[in-house]
Formats: sequence, structure tokens, C-alpha cells
Amino acid sequence: GNSVTQMEGPVTLSEEAFLTINCTYTATGYPSLFWYVQYPGEGLQLLLKATKADDKGSNKGFEATYRKETTSFHLEKGSVQVSDSAVYFCALYSSASKIIFGSGTRLSIRP
Amino acid sequence: SAVISQKPSRDICQRGTSLTIQCQVDSQVTMMFWYRQQPGQSLTLIATANQGSEATYESGFVIDKFPISRPNLTFSTLTVSNMSPEDSSIYLCSAGGETYNEQFFGPGTRLTVL
Repeated sequence: GNSVTQMEGPVTLSEEAFLTINCTYTATGYPSLFWYVQYPGEGLQLLLKATKADDKGSNKGFEATYRKETTSFHLEKGSVQVSDSAVYFCALYSSASKIIFGSGTRLSIRP
Repeated sequence: SAVISQKPSRDICQRGTSLTIQCQVDSQVTMMFWYRQQPGQSLTLIATANQGSEATYESGFVIDKFPISRPNLTFSTLTVSNMSPEDSSIYLCSAGGETYNEQFFGPGTRLTVL
């Protein structure tokens, strides 16, 4: 069945460091891929998405490229800020309108 | 996009009682979803709620424990019945966007059962 595997956390970085959170998926066909972010005490927000191979989603300095050949959708940001501290979820859209989430990666940024 | 609100935002409940969580969307949507997020875990889909039909439950979730109502295209409720400490979680509702592969989430209801 469909599944999402993402890098385990927690990840702790210094401000202005480069960020990569790995995400790979297993799915039939060509699922849509997402990154959601959950800030402390809040619900989930859609951060970015990509709907077909080689698409690049981007938002707030974050980017992720849909790589069909490696079944990956890694999240990257060139220079993180303290305000980026949150839990990040990789997800895919499967059939029957269901979103399947990865386990989440907690990111902490030190000033 | 859709803006989703939930009530209550948090609650502390006694074992054996029930709690109803409300979810309001600022626009009409066909599909609404209820998720559970146990402490430190990812989201697990409880059920899909379409207006005018019975909710569809995922494996491991039953209507007697989690009854759902969907009286119109902007509102849904989830009841957590006969609660036990294992039900302590964040419960989130979501609604489909213009394309159903995009979902917008409410802020969640943080439930603690003593």
C-alpha cells in the first residue's frame, strides 16, 4: 500500500544553517506530494505541494522537488530562522481522497 | 483556501464521559475529515464525513466510539464516547480544497482524559 517515510527527529540546527528533511514514498501511479508544518500549539498548515514528477513546490524559502526516479520529496531551506521551529510532515494524496502522513520531524533552531 | 475553526480548543475530561467537538468551515465543502494525533505521533484518519450520507470509518475506528454528524456543507461534529486515558490526543478536522487532493486543517482540539 501507499506509505511515506521521513527522517526521524528531532533535528536541531543553528540559525542560518542549511536544512534538509528527507522524505521518500511508496505509491502506485503518480500521487500528489505535500509538506505540512505544525507550529507549537497549532494545527497543520500546508507549506508546499507538487502534483507531478519534476515539479518544485516552494513557499517561505522552503523548496521540495518531486523526484519520481528516487520516489523522494526532500524538504530544503537555505537559511533557517528560529521561527521555523516546528514539526514538519511529509504526505501524499492517495486514492479515495485520503492523505497519508509521514511520522513527522521536529525541527528546533537555536539563535 | 478554506478557514476552519474548532471548538473547544482543549478540554480535560473524566473517564467514562463523552465530548463533542465541533468543526466549522467558512465555505461549503463536500468532504470533511477527522484525524487523531496521539502524543508525539503522526496523524491518523478516523473517518470521512460527506454531507447527506453516513461517515466512512477507517480500520480500527467504529461509529459507536466516534459518532460523527454532518448536517450541512459547512459543519461537522465528532463525539468521543465513553472516554478513557488512551483517548487523550489532538483531534483535527479538515476539509477538501478546490481539488480534493488538498486539505485544509483546523487548529485541533487537545483532549486530556483523566
